Amino acid sequence: GAGVSQSPSNKVTEKGKDVELRCDPISGHTALYWYRQSLGQGLEFLIYFQGNSAPDKSGLPSDRFSAERTGGSVSTLTIQRTQQEDSAVYLCASSPDRYSSYEQYFGPGTRLTVT
Amino acid sequence: AQSVTQLDSQVPVFEEAPVELRCNYSSSVSVYLFWYVQYPNQGLQLLLKYLSGSTLVKGINGFEAEFNKSQTSFHLRKPSVHISDTAEYFCAVILLTGNQFYFGTGTSLTVIP
Repeated sequence: GAGVSQSPSNKVTEKGKDVELRCDPISGHTALYWYRQSLGQGLEFLIYFQGNSAPDKSGLPSDRFSAERTGGSVSTLTIQRTQQEDSAVYLCASSPDRYSSYEQYFGPGTRLTVT
Repeated sequence: AQSVTQLDSQVPVFEEAPVELRCNYSSSVSVYLFWYVQYPNQGLQLLLKYLSGSTLVKGINGFEAEFNKSQTSFHLRKPSVHISDTAEYFCAVILLTGNQFYFGTGTSLTVIP
């Protein structure tokens, strides 16, 4: 079956530009997570969506970062006025239900390079 | 504050030898524990998880891990590794009362023929 997909797979942008990263979770999954993976670092939690509840934005590093999830499915992570330190792999994961299995299904990631 | 520590960033091991990848966590509340694996050029996938019950958890591909609450550890083991086990391994925890998964920095396992 279809897994979690992310687009684009690679994105190169100039410092100061805005970027949008897209995540298509597995159909029917109510939970969706965004992470950032920098070189030599673990996964850094960014934001969590669960159904129609208000998202947990506690991991967003600055107000330049925002995310939305439309119709409980597709999610977009937006980074405004990108900085070089934003360069990383951005991972999206979905889960059937946060309270049942805790198993996350990860997408392949979007590699963002800010020049 | 919660944190996950994977002390070994790189672990080389000969094929068919045993391996242990170490994971320690710090938390003032109860947690659930996970190991994820990332094969070269692939996304992360769940290897095994501990939610409750037996502290010895078995996962895919012959891996197992043991939850030790007193030592706040969740070390991953395999009695005999294969070349195909070469990958990055991540330990993760989530608080029973929270939404965030906390990941370690990963251990790169290289199996030498």
